[in-house]
Parts: sequence; C-alpha cells; structure tokens
Amino acid sequence: AQSVAQPEDQVNVAEGNPLTVKCTYSVSGNPYLFWYVQYPNRGLQFLLKYITGDNLVKGSYGFEAEFNKSQTSFHLKKPSALVSDSALYFCAVRDWGRNYGQNFVFGPGTRLSVLP
Amino acid sequence: DSGVTQTPKHLITATGQRVTLRCSPRSGDLSVYWYQQSLDQGLQFLIQYYNGEERAKGNILERFSAQQFPDLHSELNLSSLELGDSALYFCASSVGTGKGTEAFFGQGTRLTVV
Repeated sequence: AQSVAQPEDQVNVAEGNPLTVKCTYSVSGNPYLFWYVQYPNRGLQFLLKYITGDNLVKGSYGFEAEFNKSQTSFHLKKPSALVSDSALYFCAVRDWGRNYGQNFVFGPGTRLSVLP
Repeated sequence: DSGVTQTPKHLITATGQRVTLRCSPRSGDLSVYWYQQSLDQGLQFLIQYYNGEERAKGNILERFSAQQFPDLHSELNLSSLELGDSALYFCASSVGTGKGTEAFFGQGTRLTVV
C-alpha cells in the first residue's frame, strides 16, 4: 500500500523567512503526490501536485514543492513566509483499489506557524 | 470556494441514532470521496463512488453506508452512532479517477455524538 510520512508535527518560521514542510513517501510504481492545506474550520484546499516531469512543481499562493526520487521526498517550500500561511498542511499520495477506484492517502499533517 | 457543498455544517445527535450527511460535487465531477477526520486518527478514507458505482472502500464501518445518486450527489449514512464517531466528515470530488487528478474538498460536516 502507498503511504506518506510527515516527520514534523509542527514547524515554526518567522515571517519573511523561507519555509519547508517535509514529506517522504513509500509507493510501488510511480508516485502521484499532492499537497493540501487546511485552514481552521475549513476544508482541505489543493496546493499542487507531482505527476511526472520537472522535479520542481509550482502551485498556488507562491508555494512550490521539490520531488526527489532518490530520497523519496516531496517537500513543500515557499521563499518568503506570510503570517497568513499559518495552517495545517497535508501531503498525500494516490492509492488504488480493486475496482479501479482510487483514493488519497494522507500524511498526519504538519502544523505551520508563521510568527510576525 | 471549492464548489463542493456539504450539508449540514454541524450536527449534534445522541448515541444510537442515525444521521445522513449530504454532498453535492463540483459541476462536472463524476467521482465522490468520503473522508473522516478525527484528532487521533487523522484523515481516514471511507469510500469512493464514480458515476453511481462504488469504486474503492477504505476503513468504513459496517454501521456506515453511502451511495451516489443519478444526479451525482452523494449521501453518507451513519447509524447506531457511538461517541467515537464524533468527527469532521469531508466529501471531495474529482472529474475522473485518473491517478494524477486532484480532488476538491467541501467544508465538512462536524458531527458531535453525545
């Protein structure tokens, strides 16, 4: 089965500094990787995805992610953090079932706090 | 706004009762997913439907059931509710079932069982 891990429960960064939220994956076959963000009392919002191609993927709100096959990682990055980026971030991988169905397997989440 | 609508937003009910959660997917999306989010279990996949047919099943309890109707809206039925069923239930939709297809999530239904 596919899985992702987010080794950090919490990441703190000062406003204006670069941020990184880490994700590692374990898959059989090619990985299909996603990042989502959850603000308080809201649903998950899609940020970006990696399917194939360039290892640096650009997404919404200035976020990008770096895919590294040798390290089985897909870290989320932003050059300059904003206080409004404070939220819960989830890494996810596509998994598939018997009947051609697919679902997302989510990591446990990393809480990002950007301090003013 | 993701375009996925879930009702109700909040639900408080007693143990042993039955509730129905409703989801309207984004216009044009054929696939619907249900997830349960709790503090101790994180985001758990429950079930997926595509164009009315069940396609994938996760850790969904036998007390829970779901279906997708011809107009593509979906309902999640939770019965014989227990305190541990208290959680945030999300619905998501995607246009298809391709592996590279992202899903869009509704704002969730917060279920509290008392």
